[in-house]
Amino acid sequence: KAGVTQTPRYLIKTRGQQVTLSCSPISGHRSVSWYQQTPGQGLQFLFEYFSETQRNKGNFPGRFSGRQFSNSRSEMNVSTLELGDSALYLCASSSGLAGGPSIGEQFFGPGTRLTVL
Amino acid sequence: GQQVMQIPQYQHVQEGEDFTTYCNSSTTLSNIQWYKQRPGGHPVFLIQLVKSGEVKKQKRLTFQFGEAKKNSSLHITATQTTDVGTYFCAGRVQGAQKLVFGQGTRLTINP
Repeated sequence: KAGVTQTPRYLIKTRGQQVTLSCSPISGHRSVSWYQQTPGQGLQFLFEYFSETQRNKGNFPGRFSGRQFSNSRSEMNVSTLELGDSALYLCASSSGLAGGPSIGEQFFGPGTRLTVL
Repeated sequence: GQQVMQIPQYQHVQEGEDFTTYCNSSTTLSNIQWYKQRPGGHPVFLIQLVKSGEVKKQKRLTFQFGEAKKNSSLHITATQTTDVGTYFCAGRVQGAQKLVFGQGTRLTINP
């Protein structure tokens, strides 16, 4: 089974621009979660999508948004980039059974390294 | 909001020494997961604990879930250089589905 893929792997943008990151989950997985990882803040949860609906959301400003398509692929968008948005953005997929008490392990992709200049 | 605190933030050991990282939650968890992230890599799932007081072993790694389901630990016996990396715990609050990660413990080893 192919793993989680993320594109692009590296990205350099300037302040004020916007960026779209893409994530393809493991085949059959319906849940996709996004995380921001920085040296100072660790892994911060952004949001989770399940069957094209946002199911959970972290404490990030509205500049961070996402969506999920019918094939479970997900995109994350950051508008009006700030220097502090420089980070590794990780996508993770899981089976994400709706309503289950235990969603199970998350399979992480390699991440997109975003640098904002 | 829910917080998952993990200590220590850094740990440096001599190869062959033991290592332990601790995770504490402000609220009761339905389950807790542990991940390992090698330098330059992405987090990889190690294990999930669900039951109160649960103990699981994977070779030299021992995972525990507290009786109150608010704390957990990972203990590595006789560390090897392949154990280098950052270990994260991630807890899921009862009734919720969001996974909250601890800050991670970065393990470095002197061969």
